[in-house]
Amino acid sequence: AQSVTQLDSQVPVFEEAPVELRCNYSSSVSVYLFWYVQYPNQGLQLLLKYLSGSTLVKGINGFEAEFNKSQTSFHLRKPSVHISDTAEYFCAALKTSYDKVIFGPGTSLSVIP
Amino acid sequence: AAGVIQSPRHLIKEKRETATLKCYPIPRHDTVYWYQQGPGQDPQFLISFYEKMQSDKGSIPDRFSAQQFSDYHSELNMSSLELGDSALYFCASSFRGRLGEAFFGQGTRLTVV
Repeated sequence: AQSVTQLDSQVPVFEEAPVELRCNYSSSVSVYLFWYVQYPNQGLQLLLKYLSGSTLVKGINGFEAEFNKSQTSFHLRKPSVHISDTAEYFCAALKTSYDKVIFGPGTSLSVIP
Repeated sequence: AAGVIQSPRHLIKEKRETATLKCYPIPRHDTVYWYQQGPGQDPQFLISFYEKMQSDKGSIPDRFSAQQFSDYHSELNMSSLELGDSALYFCASSFRGRLGEAFFGQGTRLTVV
């Protein structure tokens, strides 16, 4: 079964510092990969997605992620975080375009002033 | 652009009552997914429908049922509610044949008291 792992449940970081949120997926099949953000008491918002092509994907709010097939990873990065980036971040995967989205357990990003 | 609409946004029910959650997908989307997100948890897949037929089933309790109607909106019916059913319920929609990308609604927050 497809699975998504986020090793860090909580990541505190100072404002304007860089951040990396880690995501690994099971490698049984090719996947489509996503990062979603959930602000407090809000729904899920798509940050970025990898479907094919360039392994470096740029998303909204200055975030980017790199697909690494050999390491089965899709880590999310931002060079300088803002207070407003404080939220829960979910990595997600699809096996095929007809499959349901499988979410990782989430990483809580806390930006410290 | 039109998004996935869920109603109601908030719902408070007593134990053993029933609840009906509604989801209106993005126009021309033919697939609907339901997810349940408990407090501090990642979203868990419940059930999905494609062209009004159930296409996949996850960890949906027998007390819950769902269907997709001719206009592609979907309803999640929950009976004999338990305290543990308190959660955020997300609906997502997609169009099969497009590289799998589900758009999520804002969710319905169900509180069982």
